[in-house]
Amino acid sequence: SQQGEEDPQALSIQEGENATMNCSYKTSINNLQWYRQNSGRGLVHLILIRSNEREKHSGRLRVTLDTSKKSSSLLITASRAADTASYFCATGNRLAFGKGNQVVVIP
Amino acid sequence: KAGVTQTPRYLIKTRGQQVTLSCSPISGHRSVSWYQQTPGQGLQFLFEYFSETQRNKGNFPGRFSGRQFSNSRSEMNVSTLELGDSALYLCASSRTGTGNTGELFFGEGSRLTVL
Repeated sequence: SQQGEEDPQALSIQEGENATMNCSYKTSINNLQWYRQNSGRGLVHLILIRSNEREKHSGRLRVTLDTSKKSSSLLITASRAADTASYFCATGNRLAFGKGNQVVVIP
Repeated sequence: KAGVTQTPRYLIKTRGQQVTLSCSPISGHRSVSWYQQTPGQGLQFLFEYFSETQRNKGNFPGRFSGRQFSNSRSEMNVSTLELGDSALYLCASSRTGTGNTGELFFGEGSRLTVL
């Protein structure tokens, strides 16, 4: 089954810096979604990119999708302390999630 | 518009007991999915219900079951609890179902501790 796998697992950056995280998957997809989870809470949808799209922006978020490499990246620009969270990519009909990227933004 | 509501938020059970968790989706959403989240395994798909029918099922033992009512509210049940069932159980609703079209809207979760 499809599985989002984020890389790296943990990232610690200073406020104002950019954060980049990657996700790989194993089979063909219709779309790929990124979600954020603040500690111990529910997930919040960030952005969806369709398989025929290569790049998508939403505010300070930029997502790329490379279907030939079966990978996606999420870039958060000008990070803020409030961006501290775990970030998950998800693919597939069952929305198989990876284990998440823990991002800590230090004020 | 009210979000996805999960109850209870926290509960403690002992091994061998059973537990029922409830999820009320966003009004108009017909799909409800359940996920188990643990530090070791991450987020794992349990099952999805759409219009009262189980449409997809993850790789969990039969102790885990669910159902959906005509008003789209869903419950999941875990029988004969084991220590390893301690987890955050997340419910998510969507208008049409997982993956193909739009986003999932998650509740805040039910944190189950099994002693």
